[in-house]
Amino acid sequence: RKEVEQDPGPFNVPEGATVAFNCTYSNSASQSFFWYRQDCRKEPKLLMSVYSSGNEDGRFTAQLNRASQYISLLIRDSKLSDSATYLCVVNKAGTALIFGKGTTLSVSS
Amino acid sequence: NAGVTQTPKFRVLKTGQSMTLLCAQDMNHEYMYWYRQDPGMGLRLIHYSVGEGTTAKGEVPDGYNVSRLKKQNFLLGLESAAPSQTSVYFCASSSNSYLNTEAFFGQGTRLTVV
Repeated sequence: RKEVEQDPGPFNVPEGATVAFNCTYSNSASQSFFWYRQDCRKEPKLLMSVYSSGNEDGRFTAQLNRASQYISLLIRDSKLSDSATYLCVVNKAGTALIFGKGTTLSVSS
Repeated sequence: NAGVTQTPKFRVLKTGQSMTLLCAQDMNHEYMYWYRQDPGMGLRLIHYSVGEGTTAKGEVPDGYNVSRLKKQNFLLGLESAAPSQTSVYFCASSSNSYLNTEAFFGQGTRLTVV
């Protein structure tokens, strides 16, 4: 089983739609959780960290459920500029960041 | 404000040739990583380092070697390149802070082995 698994995608949605991505991780010792965004042929960049209490950044909301080892990302009011690949990332202190395969989002007008 | 710099950005190798990819960071980060990204496979960890002079294997280390002689540099070596090593290679670095381990990436090296 992969350490980090994500919805396979791709997700094709119209502008203004709400879309949710899910991610599960297998290592219960994981301590830090993130969503990264990667545009085509570019390097990944941090979108947001994910905290146990859940956190929101504008149209983006991230949730963490440690008991179920589950992470989610909700995007409200999708924009064309949200089209990208979203990567779920987990980390245990003292080790490396482990990436999921990513979920591709395409927002159309 | 360079951040993470990878050289070269593009390279074509013949099977059996060797090369070294250089990653340099100016953020005084303890952790550095090398990933490869292939279509449909996501980013897979090759090797990483948690500090100067240390290295550790990741998910796909075979065919690669690394060195971290200076804190700011992390080198990835291919001793005898194979077509299966055709990929986009990303270097990244992060602090060793427990809760804030955002990784900053270089722009990638596109390697083709023919």
